[in-house]
Amino acid sequence: TQLLEQSPQFLSIQEGENLTVYCNSSSVFSSLQWYRQEPGEGPVLLVTVVTGGEVKKLKRLTFQFGDARKDSSLHITAAQPGDTGLYLCAAASQGGSEKLVFGKGTKLTVNP
Amino acid sequence: NAGVMQNPRHLVRRRGQEARLRCSPMKGHSHVYWYRQLPEEGLKFMVYLQKENIIDESGMPKERFSAEFPKEGPSILRIQQVVRGDSAAYFCASSETGGYTEAFFGQGTRLTVV
Repeated sequence: TQLLEQSPQFLSIQEGENLTVYCNSSSVFSSLQWYRQEPGEGPVLLVTVVTGGEVKKLKRLTFQFGDARKDSSLHITAAQPGDTGLYLCAAASQGGSEKLVFGKGTKLTVNP
Repeated sequence: NAGVMQNPRHLVRRRGQEARLRCSPMKGHSHVYWYRQLPEEGLKFMVYLQKENIIDESGMPKERFSAEFPKEGPSILRIQQVVRGDSAAYFCASSETGGYTEAFFGQGTRLTVV
């Protein structure tokens, strides 16, 4: 069974601070995705990374896929209260499986 | 272009009743995925369907659960004889060509079994 471990599980910071959350596995993935989920809503796709070592930026969010395609990180610069939410990483196994495996998520709270 | 529509948003069933959850994919999308999210847990894959076909149901319990995606109409996730442990949020996602690069999730159906 492929597992995605996310850390930290909970993170509470002040507006303006920077933060990094992590997604790790012992398995190799063909692609990895980051989602944000707000209470009572479905996950919203933020980014897909495919190539080992890839870095993608989305405004104040920077996503990195590990060289070995086993791990990923999400860095947020100058966090804002609107960044509050549950950040989930998900990955499809090699071989083009249609089955996404999700981590349990990092619950981020940004206080004004 | 409307997003993925799930209904009902909230569903309460007594133990032993049937629950029917509906998912209308985005226009032009013929691939549907169902996931279940338990409190404090990540989303767990249940089933992947294309129009009129079940492609992968490896995540769906063998008993009481079934899914369909007919040629016309929404995809249906059906849970017979519900038990308390079925209480969860059920999400569907859809994509045009398969794969998750452009997959979109619905808002979910929150099932409560009393």
